[in-house]
Amino acid sequence: EPEVTQTPSHQVTQMGQEVILRCVPISNHLYFYWYRQILGQKVEFLVSFYNNEISEKSEIFDDQFSVERPDGSNFTLKIRSTKLEDSAMYFCASSEGFRGGETQYFGPGTRLLVL
Amino acid sequence: GEDVEQSLFLSVREGDSSVINCTYTDSSSTYLYWYKQEPGAGLQLLTYIFSNMDMKQDQRLTVLLNKKDKHLSLRIADTQTGDSAIYFCAESMEYGNKLVFGAGTILRVKS
Repeated sequence: EPEVTQTPSHQVTQMGQEVILRCVPISNHLYFYWYRQILGQKVEFLVSFYNNEISEKSEIFDDQFSVERPDGSNFTLKIRSTKLEDSAMYFCASSEGFRGGETQYFGPGTRLLVL
Repeated sequence: GEDVEQSLFLSVREGDSSVINCTYTDSSSTYLYWYKQEPGAGLQLLTYIFSNMDMKQDQRLTVLLNKKDKHLSLRIADTQTGDSAIYFCAESMEYGNKLVFGAGTILRVKS
């Protein structure tokens, strides 16, 4: 069964450093998402992406964040200058369509720790 | 604004039924979802219900929706140890597909 994959599974970085989290969505999916979950808190929407453009973003997704589809298979989330509060589990997801009810398939997540 | 609330923990014995509850605030929610997360794994969609439905059954899973009270529940019949996981309730609008999640309910199944 096709699945969303994410690398790395864990990343530790120093405050102020740039990190890039990588995702490979399911191959025929057109819509891509990033969510995050700070330990003990809710899973929060960050951004959705379609046709090489951001479709929607949350208040969390400020200028420190960017997303890119650098090639036909990868979807990345970059944090330019990490802060302690960026420590969280980051989930990538993809879906075939964009209407409500379209199943979003989630990856296993990348646990980011900012020291 | 959008908000989804769940109880944090539920413990049941193997073979019993589990009922996980969720409340949401946004009356314009169109789709309501249940996701399951096992240790080290991603979020797996279990089922979803469209807001004009009251109930949906899928094998051992029954979803009940009370739109007036904005209350959603997931019933797992004959709960097994393999059902132990975190269960997330989520909502979305008709278009846009942004999911708004609850904090998750930890289900522990005792054998």
